[in-house]
Amino acid sequence: GAVVSQHPSWVICKSGTSVKIECRSLDFQATTMFWYRQFPKQSLMLMATSNEGSKATYEQGVEKDKFLINHASLTLSTLTVTSAHPEDSSFYICSASSGGQTQPQHFGDGTRLSIL
Amino acid sequence: QKEVEQNSGPLSVPEGAIASLNCTYSDRGSQSFFWYRQYSGKSPELIMFIYSNGDKEDGRFTAQLNKASQYVSLLIRDSQPSDSATYLCAVSYSGGYQKVTFGTGTKLQVIP
Repeated sequence: GAVVSQHPSWVICKSGTSVKIECRSLDFQATTMFWYRQFPKQSLMLMATSNEGSKATYEQGVEKDKFLINHASLTLSTLTVTSAHPEDSSFYICSASSGGQTQPQHFGDGTRLSIL
Repeated sequence: QKEVEQNSGPLSVPEGAIASLNCTYSDRGSQSFFWYRQYSGKSPELIMFIYSNGDKEDGRFTAQLNKASQYVSLLIRDSQPSDSATYLCAVSYSGGYQKVTFGTGTKLQVIP
């Protein structure tokens, strides 16, 4: 149980392109989804928290106009990196929780984004 | 600022030994504690969670929580080379928030 599917796994694209990443909870309802970014050999960095039907809450220093998050249903959240540049290249990972402070986050497999 | 501290390692243990991973946290109101395993280049995988003081066992894994000392640990018995990974401690925010704070992780190496 508690399976989270994330795709695509890899994206390589040119600078200036917008990239959409999908995160789906397959066997549970995810009232809250989280988006993280991880650079090589560094820890997870929370970018934003999204609750179904609400606007995402972004962490300090994360540009909300650049990283568009949509959580339209209890099983799907999307992250769109708009006008991506090489410095946006990273490992993006989503996680989902069924709600409540005691519920663990279950992670997707991550998306490795490379901007040329 | 909510902090979760872990020794970055690497922690090297021989195959078959007990690996002990430790984590301290600063938010005294935290209620939920999670251990994740992350292989290189992969996303984190939930191993265990614990909410109450004491020990919680699941197979070869035991989580230990001491809220008074703000300390949580993970013991891995009969360590296997496949256990070699980075182990992340995550602590929930107090006040009902669903966010957690992740430690920077401890790299474990199990030597065959």
